[in-house]
Amino acid sequence: DTGVSQNPRHKITKRGQNVTFRCDPISEHNRLYWYRQTLGQGPEFLTYFQNEAQLEKSRLLSDRFSAERPKGSFSTLEIQRTEQGDSAMYLCASSLLEDRGNTIYFGEGSWLTVV
Amino acid sequence: AQSVTQLDSHVSVSEGTPVLLRCNYSSSYSPSLFWYVQHPNKGLQLLLKYTSAATLVKGINGFEAEFKKSETSFHLTKPSAHMSDAAEYFCVVRVTGFQKLVFGTGTRLLVSP
Repeated sequence: DTGVSQNPRHKITKRGQNVTFRCDPISEHNRLYWYRQTLGQGPEFLTYFQNEAQLEKSRLLSDRFSAERPKGSFSTLEIQRTEQGDSAMYLCASSLLEDRGNTIYFGEGSWLTVV
Repeated sequence: AQSVTQLDSHVSVSEGTPVLLRCNYSSSYSPSLFWYVQHPNKGLQLLLKYTSAATLVKGINGFEAEFKKSETSFHLTKPSAHMSDAAEYFCVVRVTGFQKLVFGTGTRLLVSP
């Protein structure tokens, strides 16, 4: 499978713990995005990377959230001191800068449950 | 601010009948609009996109959408529903000048035999 890969697919954590999600984009895709989706809602934008540079960041990304893409390939999203309100599906997506239509490909998401 | 409004949270059709999922957009600029589909426990899949070329856009699996500036609408249609079309559908707009996508709240399509 050469699509966007996300790990872990499911994570249950206790409130106050830190969690980290990993995203491996489609090979050679230089654009990478993180979204969050809660039950019954559409995805909400969190952040966007072009190569290793974080160019867009939502106000939803509080100081407990940090995303990195150190080598311009895979990315991590860390949530510190998790709260129950962080329970959601975290979606990663990627696209190719050179694709004028900028078709964005989404992964299957990482479910987070904070208990 | 750019946004989309999906007018129906649920749409029920019978297999073989037409599908209409409604979406209105709000944008001060010529928008880039998309429809995505999400099947249970699956990632989002792009159905089609409008980027200021032809106003009638054809997508995958027989879906199409028409961009109507006068009505600020981008409704999704399919002539004949199939059981496999049952899923959540999202109307999406890209914020002009940015990579951020703004999703609607979704329309759940139910297809009965």
